[in-house]
Amino acid sequence: DAGITQSPRHKVTETGTPVTLRCHQTENHRYMYWYRQDPGHGLRLIHYSYGVKDTDKGEVSDGYSVSRSKTEDFLLTLESATSSQTSVYFCAINAGGVVDNEQFFGPGTRLTVL
Amino acid sequence: GDSVTQMEGPVTLSEEAFLTINCTYTATGYPSLFWYVQYPGEGLQLLLKATKADDKGSNKGFEATYRKETTSFHLEKGSVQVSDSAVYFCALSSSSSASKIIFGSGTRLSIRP
Repeated sequence: DAGITQSPRHKVTETGTPVTLRCHQTENHRYMYWYRQDPGHGLRLIHYSYGVKDTDKGEVSDGYSVSRSKTEDFLLTLESATSSQTSVYFCAINAGGVVDNEQFFGPGTRLTVL
Repeated sequence: GDSVTQMEGPVTLSEEAFLTINCTYTATGYPSLFWYVQYPGEGLQLLLKATKADDKGSNKGFEATYRKETTSFHLEKGSVQVSDSAVYFCALSSSSSASKIIFGSGTRLSIRP
């Protein structure tokens, strides 16, 4: 157990509303990641962070922003939610090094955008 | 760029059957290779890993050998159980992927009693 929690675990929202998902870790790992999981696509990286206030885009970053003001928290914000952002969102941390990137995942947040 | 290709599912086997899930990769340099497993309703868990050529990762009866000559990392288990039903993801991490993991699309495995 890498001490990763996500909140909320489930959320239903309406198109056009902003949504923020939170990832919290207890072990001060430097790297944190946000993924989305959709049928037929596996996991796709949205954004990641390599330190406080240091973030970078992944392959599907459009419509999402992130912030990391503390080592333990990594927030994912959907600026204006759309139905295409209905998905399961996973947070992860890197417990290894840059190459030996052994990631541990949170339990996921199921988001439904109506 | 780096990529991972794994066999499409779903794969359905009877209990105690032999399992192989194929995985091949494309990467520059010498990547680390992983298998992750996702049980229903849960996040991904690291199943096993190998960090250099000819290494064998193993865990819970599953094995995979890092084959650089064939750029493969096939997952095997000699006798599967109903509790092995899950989705399995092959993945790689390399210096060119800048601390990111590249995942395959996943293979759903169902085991019949």
